Amino acid sequence: LAKTTQPISMDSYEGQEVNITCSHNNIATNDYITWYQQFPSQGPRFIIQGYKTKVTNEVASLFIPADRKSSTLSLPRVSLSDTAVYYCLVRTGGFKTIFGAGTRLFVKA
Amino acid sequence: EPEVTQTPSHQVTQMGQEVILRCVPISNHLYFYWYRQILGQKVEFLVSFYNNEISEKSEIFDDQFSVERPDGSNFTLKIRSTKLEDSAMYFCASSRQGATDTQYFGPGTRLTVL
Repeated sequence: LAKTTQPISMDSYEGQEVNITCSHNNIATNDYITWYQQFPSQGPRFIIQGYKTKVTNEVASLFIPADRKSSTLSLPRVSLSDTAVYYCLVRTGGFKTIFGAGTRLFVKA
Repeated sequence: EPEVTQTPSHQVTQMGQEVILRCVPISNHLYFYWYRQILGQKVEFLVSFYNNEISEKSEIFDDQFSVERPDGSNFTLKIRSTKLEDSAMYFCASSRQGATDTQYFGPGTRLTVL
């Protein structure tokens, strides 16, 4: 299972764009990259998933370079309610999903 | 939007007692999962379940744990003889397909073992 590395924490201000980068140097050919958000005492919430290049949905964008050894979650114009832990996961054909420590994002007014 | 539900939201039990945590996965989903999160720590995979059998489990999921899909809608996690260290949030998740398909998580059950 590919291991992921993310910054432990990040600070931002309301209205800014936030980019959280995750490295996954030993990602395998069949692995997908998935990002989840978690608020305190709540279950993780799916944000976005991608395999290569760029994926965008109504919440975020995911940028994956050609070598796929890293990925960047981009949150446009964050608000206070985006304060949460963000997890980068690399998932392959097995069912076991490994969560890392995640990145604690603090959005300030 | 359909969602995974879990009951109870909080369970308090005495050490050595059996507890059953309940989950109702999203209705057209076929794969079910349990995770736990000890306070302040990472979310940890426990087990995945498909077609009425365990498809994968972690080293945490020892003989004191069992899972069951007793009917067409519920998915349960039983802890036979709870220990203090079982105190955690337990999350159920489901996905329509397995492997890389998106897993949708429930709100969790906070288990407190005294």
